Amino acid sequence: QQPVQSPQAVILREGEDAVINCSSSKALYSVHWYRQKHGEAPVFLMILLKGGEQKGHDKISASFNEKKQQSSLYLTASQLSYSGTYFCGTAILQGAQKLVFGQGTRLTINP
Amino acid sequence: DSGVTQTPKHLITATGQRVTLRCSPRSGDLSVYWYQQSLDQGLQFLIQYYNGEERAKGNILERFSAQQFPDLHSELNLSSLELGDSALYFCASSVAPTYDQPQHFGDGTRLSIL
Repeated sequence: QQPVQSPQAVILREGEDAVINCSSSKALYSVHWYRQKHGEAPVFLMILLKGGEQKGHDKISASFNEKKQQSSLYLTASQLSYSGTYFCGTAILQGAQKLVFGQGTRLTINP
Repeated sequence: DSGVTQTPKHLITATGQRVTLRCSPRSGDLSVYWYQQSLDQGLQFLIQYYNGEERAKGNILERFSAQQFPDLHSELNLSSLELGDSALYFCASSVAPTYDQPQHFGDGTRLSIL
């Protein structure tokens, strides 16, 4: 039931773009995205809901393909502050009683 | 600052001991979640409370228990501690217990078992 994230790690130069993917084998109700810096709390970025509604930060963009049960997080014109580990969390459509997080994608932004 | 307060920030204890972790949710949030994060691992859901009642359980060991009090703060009790229990324990809160609302995480309690 754990969603699969790809890639596991990515290294960029400042200003480059990145896409992080999250895939589930179950029909989903919602996908949540968080960023965590080492030793710190995860910080909420965005929620994507079945039906197309999105909640989150204006500067973050993401998509949710309901047919494929996949979500993608788009990081454009990356800044040094974007570095960290990105987690997706999924709540399944039937009997969603918990958020299951993927293993994370480690993003490193170099100057 | 997420508004979620966890204490203590660090805890060092020995195997076989018992500890209590405390969490105060954001003002207005009724639902509290506990997660465990081992070294370089993802977030494992332990348990959820909503307005004082247990709502969902995840991979929580029988040695672990939790409760949410009338003032909405929550405590996670870990007993008969083992080396493998060393981890970061996060509390999160949300307005509602449904999964269309963001969860806001506290800074965590780092538990080290010696």
